[in-house]
Amino acid sequence: EPEVTQTPSHQVTQMGQEVILRCVPISNHLYFYWYRQILGQKVEFLVSFYNNEISEKSEIFDDQFSVERPDGSNFTLKIRSTKLEDSAMYFCASSESGPMNTEAFFGQGTRLTVV
Amino acid sequence: RKEVEQDPGPFNVPEGATVAFNCTYSNSASQSFFWYRQDCRKEPKLLMSVYSSGNEDGRFTAQLNRASQYISLLIRDSKLSDSATYLCVDADYNQGGKLIFGQGTELSVKP
Repeated sequence: EPEVTQTPSHQVTQMGQEVILRCVPISNHLYFYWYRQILGQKVEFLVSFYNNEISEKSEIFDDQFSVERPDGSNFTLKIRSTKLEDSAMYFCASSESGPMNTEAFFGQGTRLTVV
Repeated sequence: RKEVEQDPGPFNVPEGATVAFNCTYSNSASQSFFWYRQDCRKEPKLLMSVYSSGNEDGRFTAQLNRASQYISLLIRDSKLSDSATYLCVDADYNQGGKLIFGQGTELSVKP
């Protein structure tokens, strides 16, 4: 069964450092997303990406964050100058034609710990 | 701001019990809803879509009440493996199609 894969599974970084979280969406999917979940809290939308551009971003997704699809398979989330409150599980998701019509598949997540 | 609200639980039930969860959503224009399941520290996985007429998938039944803006999930004959957090989700009617998650309802099924 095709799946969304994320690397690394766990990333520890020092406050102020930059991190790049990587995702390989399912190959025929066109819509890509990043979500985050702070421990004990709800899953929160960060950004959606379609046709090589951001289609929507939340108020969380400020200038500290950026996304990129550098080639035909990877989808990355860059967090600059990390803060303690960026510690969370970050989930990448993809769907074939938008989650309203088809299932959104989630990767297993990257646990980011900022120390 | 579009929100989805759920009772966080936990719901502790014996094996074989029937359990029901509800959630409410704030956006009256929302069209698509889902129930996702999340095991501890794992990714959310789609359990089922929620259709206006109600729908059933094995032991699981989902209902949508647009007038009251609430969604329900009924689990019959609960199994130990049903223990998880159940996430009520609103798919925002927007170009991006983002998912708006409730905080989840924790279910623990005991032998």
